[in-house]
Amino acid sequence: EIVLTQSPGTLSLSPGERATLSCRASQSISSSYLAWYQQKPGQAPRLLIYGASSRATGIPDRFSGSGSGTDFTLTISRLEPEDFAVYYCQQYGSSPLTFGGGTKVEIK
Amino acid sequence: EVQLLESGGSLVQPGGSLRLSCAASGFTFSNYAMSWVRQAPGKGLEWVSLICGNNGVTYYGDSVKGRFTISRDNSKNTLYLQMNSLRAEDTAVYYCVKSSGLLLKNWFDLWGQGTLVTVSS
Repeated sequence: EIVLTQSPGTLSLSPGERATLSCRASQSISSSYLAWYQQKPGQAPRLLIYGASSRATGIPDRFSGSGSGTDFTLTISRLEPEDFAVYYCQQYGSSPLTFGGGTKVEIK
Repeated sequence: EVQLLESGGSLVQPGGSLRLSCAASGFTFSNYAMSWVRQAPGKGLEWVSLICGNNGVTYYGDSVKGRFTISRDNSKNTLYLQMNSLRAEDTAVYYCVKSSGLLLKNWFDLWGQGTLVTVSS
């Protein structure tokens, strides 16, 4: 099983600041089968990034993904009020599919 | 409109059974793998099971293997999750999720709103 560790657990930032979220895998994720999801309170998760760096349809370009192998990053270049939420990474390259524990981005 | 609508969640006693359903619309259901993902209250996401779009090949997380069964009826555009021998730790919101392709190695591109399963005496 591939274990995904997200850090930090909570990120306290102000609107307009840059957010950098980390996702580290316990073993290499082949072909960058890594996705990022955003979840707001009371809502279902929403796909942001797939293939480690491809933005999903309708996702603003302030969201970007990077990385390969075991180290991946989600960057939000300038936080908007609607971006404060919990973010999860997920690997979909092998079963069992696994999620990271999440990073909460909160308003400072 | 592309959407997934779950149903079947309820309060059930430990050791009991429950079947969840997910009605899909707005896309060619048989062309995509489908999953169930759950989220315990205040916790993170946990993948439960996946079924491929055409050949019915299934995959399960270790915590539910042997107790839960995923299935689909492509003629009815419906996904199911049969849950047996339920435990308190199965209490969660269960999301029906569409994959971006037919088989395992695809990301999740559409989520339902979820249905709550509570296991308690």
